Amino acid sequence: TQLLEQSPQFLSIQEGENLTVYCNSSSVFSSLQWYRQEPGEGPVLLVTVVTGGEVKKLKRLTFQFGDARKDSSLHITAAQPGDTGLYLCAGLNTGTASKLTFGTGTRLQVTL
Amino acid sequence: KAGVTQTPRYLIKTRGQQVTLSCSPISGHRSVSWYQQTPGQGLQFLFEYFSETQRNKGNFPGRFSGRQFSNSRSEMNVSTLELGDSALYLCASSLGGTLTEAFFGQGTRLTVV
Repeated sequence: TQLLEQSPQFLSIQEGENLTVYCNSSSVFSSLQWYRQEPGEGPVLLVTVVTGGEVKKLKRLTFQFGDARKDSSLHITAAQPGDTGLYLCAGLNTGTASKLTFGTGTRLQVTL
Repeated sequence: KAGVTQTPRYLIKTRGQQVTLSCSPISGHRSVSWYQQTPGQGLQFLFEYFSETQRNKGNFPGRFSGRQFSNSRSEMNVSTLELGDSALYLCASSLGGTLTEAFFGQGTRLTVV
């Protein structure tokens, strides 16, 4: 069974601070996705990283896929209250492309 | 375009009953996946249907089943409900190819009492 552990589990910060969320596994994944889920809603895809060592930037969010494709990180610069939500990483494997293995989740709260 | 629609949004059932949840995917999407989300276990994959065939299956007991119709709409059924089946059930639709983006519905909140 492939498991994805996220840390920290909870994070409460003030607006303007930076933060990093980690997603670690002992298994290799073909690709990894990051989602954000808000209360009462389903997860929304933020990014997909495919190549080991890949770094993708989306405005204030920076995503990195580990060289060995077993881990990933999400860094948010100058967090805003709108960043509040549950952040989930999810691994995919070739051959079972629609089967997402989700991480344990990181609940982020950004206050004014 | 319209998003993924799940019905009903909320449901309360009694232990031992069965329940059917529905998911209408985005038009043109042929893959529908179902996930269970609980505070303790997080998001867990139940199964995926593609062109009316179950393509992938998670580690859930046989009480959990599903099907997909020719218009790609999908239903999942849970028989002999247990208290532990209380969860948010999420449906995701995608085109079905490798690395295609999955779009999630708002989910059905099932409470078993």
